[in-house]
Amino acid sequence: NAGVTQTPKFRVLKTGQSMTLLCAQDMNHEYMYWYRQDPGMGLRLIHYSVGEGTTAKGEVPDGYNVSRLKKQNFLLGLESAAPSQTSVYFCASSYLYSRQGRGTEAFFGQGTRLTVV
Amino acid sequence: DAKTTQPPSMDCAEGRAANLPCNHSTISGNEYVYWYRQIHSQGPQYIIHGLKNNETNEMASLIITEDRKSSTLILPHATLRDTAVYYCIVRVPWAGANSKLTFGKGITLSVRP
Repeated sequence: NAGVTQTPKFRVLKTGQSMTLLCAQDMNHEYMYWYRQDPGMGLRLIHYSVGEGTTAKGEVPDGYNVSRLKKQNFLLGLESAAPSQTSVYFCASSYLYSRQGRGTEAFFGQGTRLTVV
Repeated sequence: DAKTTQPPSMDCAEGRAANLPCNHSTISGNEYVYWYRQIHSQGPQYIIHGLKNNETNEMASLIITEDRKSSTLILPHATLRDTAVYYCIVRVPWAGANSKLTFGKGITLSVRP
């Protein structure tokens, strides 16, 4: 049981390049989230998904796209990276509904440190 | 989701109890109080949550006032490893797409030797 795994852990991009961050969870969670965290700040929600094939915008969605083709994976794409997207990106997942023996707390990955130069 | 307010920082001595306050005066009847923490630059970690009764687990205790407008997270015997940013969040856990998990700035707890 690996929990939430983010790939890659570090990346340096040039302005205008594109890339995809992968989040994978093995807990059969319905809910998945992508956040960014800038130095000295809290986490800001970029996009989220409540199930396979569904996504929604969070607080700071501009410049990002997401896809949830499989329940266990949530992809975050940067089509044309900008220096303002330099940040640490966190993925999380949780159950959508609580049932006996399980709760709806979120589990987080260890982050992807992205630098855009 | 209702907003929460937390002081920006606090400290406590190692071995003493750390009491972290949170105000959520606009909390609605079906919203739970959740606490997470983030140690250095790691991914946030779930601590505890509750609706109206006090809750305790192996990590902490959560005390919610009777009117539910505020709560306190208690770390009974703080250690240096408890130095972190602690986030208080209110949300309805079963509200589907309306139950986004959003974070404020949190409170930075510094445990001193």
